Amino acid sequence: NAGVTQTPKFQVLKTGQSMTLQCAQDMNHEYMSWYRQDPGMGLRLIHYSVGAGITDQGEVPNGYNVSRSTTEDFPLRLLSAAPSQTSVYFCASNPWDRATEAFFGQGTRLTVV
Amino acid sequence: GQQLNQSPQSMFIQEGEDVSMNCTSSSIFNTWLWYKQDPGEGPVLLIALYKAGELTSNGRLTAQFGITRKDSFLNISASIPSDVGIYFCAGQGVGSQGNLIFGKGTKLSVKP
Repeated sequence: NAGVTQTPKFQVLKTGQSMTLQCAQDMNHEYMSWYRQDPGMGLRLIHYSVGAGITDQGEVPNGYNVSRSTTEDFPLRLLSAAPSQTSVYFCASNPWDRATEAFFGQGTRLTVV
Repeated sequence: GQQLNQSPQSMFIQEGEDVSMNCTSSSIFNTWLWYKQDPGEGPVLLIALYKAGELTSNGRLTAQFGITRKDSFLNISASIPSDVGIYFCAGQGVGSQGNLIFGKGTKLSVKP
C-alpha cells in the first residue's frame, strides 16, 4: 500500500542547476499538488493538477514547472535552482473534490548552495 | 490572498495537561482541517470539519468549525509524549476544489 511516493528524499544542488522531483500515487486520485514548507511559513501551494493534461498555478509558482501526462505521476521541475528554493517539498493527492482526503508524501528536502 | 492566523506558535507543556490551539481567517472557508506532522514526515490528517458549528472528536482530540466559518480550534486532552509534533490548521476556500491554505503551525512539546 504505497500511497504517495516522493523521490529523492534528499538533494543538494548548485545554484543554476536543474532537476526534477518525482511524485507518484497509486490511489487513482485525480487531484495532485505540490507544496513547499519553509520554517515558520507552513505549507504553500506551488502547482496543482485536477487531472491528466491539466495543471495550474498555486500561490508560489515562480521558478517551477509541472506536467501531468498520467494520472499517477506529477513531477516538479526546478528550471534553474536558486538558494531561495531551499525548502522541504511535499506532494499530495486526493479525489479532486475532496481535499479532506489528501494524502501527503514523506517529502523531499532540497538544499541549493 | 487568503491567510490563516494560527496560534500559539509553540507550546511547552507537562504530560497530562490539556492543549488548545486555534486558527482564524479573514475569509470564509467551506472546510476546516487539522493535520499533525512528525519530524521527517508529511502531514497526516487528524480531523476534518464540514459545517459551521460542527464539533468533532477523534480520541483525545476535539475540533470545532466556528459559526462564522472564519475560525476553528483544536483541543487535545490529557497530553502524552507522542503528541509531540507540529499541528497545522488548513482551510478549503469557496470554489477552490482541492486547494488548501495552511496555517503556520503550532509546535507542541510535551515534558514527561
